[in-house]
Amino acid sequence: DIQMTQSPSTLSASVGDRVTITCRASHSISTWLAWYQQKPGKAPKLLIYKASTLENGVPSRFSGSGSGTEFTLTISSLQPDDFATYFCQQYNTYSATFGQGTKVEIK
Amino acid sequence: EVQLVESGGGLVQPGGSLRLSCVASGFTFSSYSMNWVRQAPGKGLEWISYISSSSSAIYYADSVKGRFTISRDNAKNSLFLQMNSLRAEDTAVYYCARADYEIGFDYWGQGTLVTVSS
Repeated sequence: DIQMTQSPSTLSASVGDRVTITCRASHSISTWLAWYQQKPGKAPKLLIYKASTLENGVPSRFSGSGSGTEFTLTISSLQPDDFATYFCQQYNTYSATFGQGTKVEIK
Repeated sequence: EVQLVESGGGLVQPGGSLRLSCVASGFTFSSYSMNWVRQAPGKGLEWISYISSSSSAIYYADSVKGRFTISRDNAKNSLFLQMNSLRAEDTAVYYCARADYEIGFDYWGQGTLVTVSS
């Protein structure tokens, strides 16, 4: 199975900050990587797919990059609605494993 | 509007069984692969099972293999998860999620809580 490692596990930031979350895959997954946002008590919401393609309706302050085994999610200017937990996911294989999550907290 | 609505969760004793359902609407259900994903309280997301659009391909995570069975009824726009030999560590919110080959899991249900406890 492909293992996904996210860092950091927790991130404290202020409104307006630029935030970067990293995800590493144990094997190359090309660009078969998605990023999700989850708020407490809610289902995950797809933000980015194929490593860098923004899902319809997602604000342009979100961006993704990377290929192979190294990926990043960047929020260019953190907004109050962005405080949440973020997960990466590889879907290169049917067993679509997730990273352990990064909680973005208010500093 | 795409909607996925799970049901069937609840409290069950260790060793017991439960059957989860996910009813889909707003899209051609028979054209999409589907997945079950779970999230233990305060923990991350764990993929547990995949079923192709025609049920010809089925996969499970090692943690549930041999105990859980995924199935679907395309005529009824429904996805199922039969869970047997339940353990305390199966306690989680269970989500169904639509899979798109290019996009990943683009739509999710609201989740149904399964609690395994005596």
